[in-house]
Amino acid sequence: EAQVTQNPRYLITVTGKKLTVTCSQNMNHEYMSWYRQDPGLGLRQIYYSMNVEVTDKGDVPEGYKVSRKEKRNFPLILESPSPNQTSLYFCASSSNPLYEQFFGPGTRLTVL
Amino acid sequence: TQLLEQSPQFLSIQEGENLTVYCNSSSVFSSLQWYRQEPGEGPVLLVTVVTGGEVKKLKRLTFQFGDARKDSSLHITAAQPGDTGLYLCAGAGTGANNLFFGTGTRLTVIP
Repeated sequence: EAQVTQNPRYLITVTGKKLTVTCSQNMNHEYMSWYRQDPGLGLRQIYYSMNVEVTDKGDVPEGYKVSRKEKRNFPLILESPSPNQTSLYFCASSSNPLYEQFFGPGTRLTVL
Repeated sequence: TQLLEQSPQFLSIQEGENLTVYCNSSSVFSSLQWYRQEPGEGPVLLVTVVTGGEVKKLKRLTFQFGDARKDSSLHITAAQPGDTGLYLCAGAGTGANNLFFGTGTRLTVIP
């Protein structure tokens, strides 16, 4: 089954404790991206990757890091999480950044 | 940064009613997508419109792209509880290399 998987689905952590949210896709897509979703603000792009070893900042990259060492994986790293990073996070992949985006199920993160 | 404003932000209606939600921008888009997101899941694509004035139908859902390609609407006829969800529009600006998502309309259809 073609899908995007994210782990964990839910995470409660404390300020400053490094965490990684994993994202994996099995559709051989070159393009992958991370979004955060907050009430009234819609989906805002954090980082995106056009291909392996190629990453770039989206609209809200501060406080986040990503890596793209393999085509299928695109982890999101929060080196020192803060409460304002409490949000619902989505990973997405596609064959093209302007085509249909395939989203993962989301990761709900709470930073205390 | 391009802005896509969706209205209304929240909509609660009775089963069987009709409704229209809007997606507006001051920018021109080369294409526009509509997604539906159900609770606990990621958004799923409903339709893509690419031509100004284009109308696409998906069962009881009718999507229209504005003539100037700056706005779009989604009309649902005889809404059903299964239509409940967050509706998001996403635009590809002229020359852009990424989609930009709207603020969303949260629809609740009451049985």
